Parts: sequence; structure tokens; C-alpha cells
Amino acid sequence: GESVGLHLPTLSVQEGDNSIINCAYSNSASDYFIWYKQESGKGPQFIIDIRSNMDKRQGQRVTVLLNKTVKHLSLQIAATQPGDSAVYFCAEYRGSQGNLIFGKGTKLSVKP
Amino acid sequence: NAGVTQTPKFRILKIGQSMTLQCTQDMNHNYMYWYRQDPGMGLKLIYYSVGAGITDKGEVPNGYNVSRSTTEDFPLRLELAAPSQTSVYFCASSYVQGAKYEQYFGPGTRLTVT
Repeated sequence: GESVGLHLPTLSVQEGDNSIINCAYSNSASDYFIWYKQESGKGPQFIIDIRSNMDKRQGQRVTVLLNKTVKHLSLQIAATQPGDSAVYFCAEYRGSQGNLIFGKGTKLSVKP
Repeated sequence: NAGVTQTPKFRILKIGQSMTLQCTQDMNHNYMYWYRQDPGMGLKLIYYSVGAGITDKGEVPNGYNVSRSTTEDFPLRLELAAPSQTSVYFCASSYVQGAKYEQYFGPGTRLTVT
């Protein structure tokens, strides 16, 4: 079954608010995670990554948090803008399989 | 750099027909991948390649074939198209396999089999 999943399939936020997108994973041996953004009709685009020896990583307006105890990671987007509207995927790297395992995605809609 | 390019953008096939989805990258990446994305779902790995002449199966390889004769090109072949292969296909490439470095994705090919 699906081992990298998302708590909410859709998320609607007001422009300027902060967004939090959640992701659960099941394999405690996974050592690397990536968040991708996919706009309508386009391929996924890398946002930010985090290794399992970290619990937080920050980028430009984005922060990823990793909680290995409960096997959960989140993507926080500060001051959400209309251009942030997209589907967001978390992906888990399992060394034994050698490739990324993608979750189903969360659709983020930003209201003006 | 153009990055990862895919052709065609759209295609409609009849059941039993065959076709090749083209993928080219100009970043000199060793690793290349093919994924399919069904509506409302994440990406599932079909095949991947760690270098010219080397390919391996992913999670959903049945009904597909690949080849990697050059670093730049990684075509995906459908021999006998079936309605279950209706999907959006993405090609990706990276410097190092999997997730140590990001994968760069192409714009996708939307395939409908009727």
C-alpha cells in the first residue's frame, strides 16, 4: 500500500497567511526526503530537501520540519502567494529500493 | 540549457497500437527515470537508468520497455497499448541516483488509450 501519504488532500489559505502541508511516512529507514511543487500541466519542481540527520531546514519562504519519532514531515510556506497555488508532493528516498517514493499530493489553493 | 525535454506533449492511441515517448536531457546527468502519474495520484516509477547501456525496472514496469544508448536520451516504448496505460508520463534526470540530489522533471506527455 501507499507508505508516503498526506493528511489532507486539499488546503485553502488566504493570501499572506502561512501554509502548512503535512506528510507521513512509514519506513523508519528512509534517510532523505524531498518536497516537490507541481503546477497545473507541468512537471514537478524541486522545492526543498532534508536528510534524516536533521529536523529542520529553511529555504526562501519555505521550511521543512522532520519528526522521526512519529515519522512525519511538514512543509511550511510563509506569506503564501497566489503563485504558490499548486499540488505539493513529499517524496521519500529508500536506499534499499534506490529510488524516490512519492505521496499522493496536497492541492494548495490561495485565495486573494 | 533546455533541461529535460519530452515529446510528444499529447497523444491518443488505439488499443493495441505502439508508440515511443521521447526524453532528452542536456545536463549530462547520468541518471534518468520514467514515471507515470494517474489523476489525483503521485508519481510511480516505471523504469530508470544509471547510465548509458544500463536500465532497471521500477515499481510499475509491465507493458513498457526502455533503452539507454546515449547519456542524453532515454525513450520509453509502449508495445501494445492498453486503456490502463492512460496517464501522464514524466521523464526526469539527476546527477546521482535517487534522492541525494534533486531530480529534474520534463513537462510530461499526456497519453490517452481508447
